[in-house]
Amino acid sequence: QVQLVESGGGVVQPGESLRLSCAVSGFTFVTSGVHWVRQAPGKGLEWVAFIRSDGGNKYYADSLRGRFTMSRDDSKNTLYLQMNSLRPEDTALYYCTRDSNWGPDYWGQGTLVTVSS
Amino acid sequence: QSALTQPRSVSGSPGQSVTISCTGTSSDVGGYNFVSWYQQQPGKAPKRMIYEVTKRPSGVPDRFSGSKSGNTASLTISGLQAEDEADYSCYSYAGSYTWLFGAGTKLTVL
Repeated sequence: QVQLVESGGGVVQPGESLRLSCAVSGFTFVTSGVHWVRQAPGKGLEWVAFIRSDGGNKYYADSLRGRFTMSRDDSKNTLYLQMNSLRPEDTALYYCTRDSNWGPDYWGQGTLVTVSS
Repeated sequence: QSALTQPRSVSGSPGQSVTISCTGTSSDVGGYNFVSWYQQQPGKAPKRMIYEVTKRPSGVPDRFSGSKSGNTASLTISGLQAEDEADYSCYSYAGSYTWLFGAGTKLTVL
């Protein structure tokens, strides 16, 4: 069955970097795009980024462009989110989600990123 | 990219119907038939209840229905049950491979 498992979260100081991973099974990147979505504590969901199934194009929320970079390793069925120059407002639970019919269907359980001095 | 507008909370008694609205613009909700609705229980990942405005994924009860008029999409839950109490968020394609979420609505079953 479809599974997505995020990892790599942790506590970092403002200005530092972190790379999140999302290992997928039950589908391939060739057939499905993948989103990153985040949720700050007690807040709503926020779309972060999307990579198309062809892997050649990535798209980011305006507020994050330039600091976050998405990539994937098809041989490992793993997606990455490189986050640089982290800010306290980036503190959130980060989910990776499979795209289906122009929106996420399957979700991982999330990995928590805390940015604090 | 502003979040879609949803009411902060709605409530209803068991057996009643409730409707949650999601208002955007002609560049997102009004411009595409790609609105999804997600249910999120505390401490759990979101679950998709509606996609492409009106379609229900397999396993979602037909008590859940979606619609759209102009720049506003709606989720209606009929025959409200205690287990429906959760946060509900809308999600719309906004063109050029970008998406927007609503801020979420807390549904309380009285």
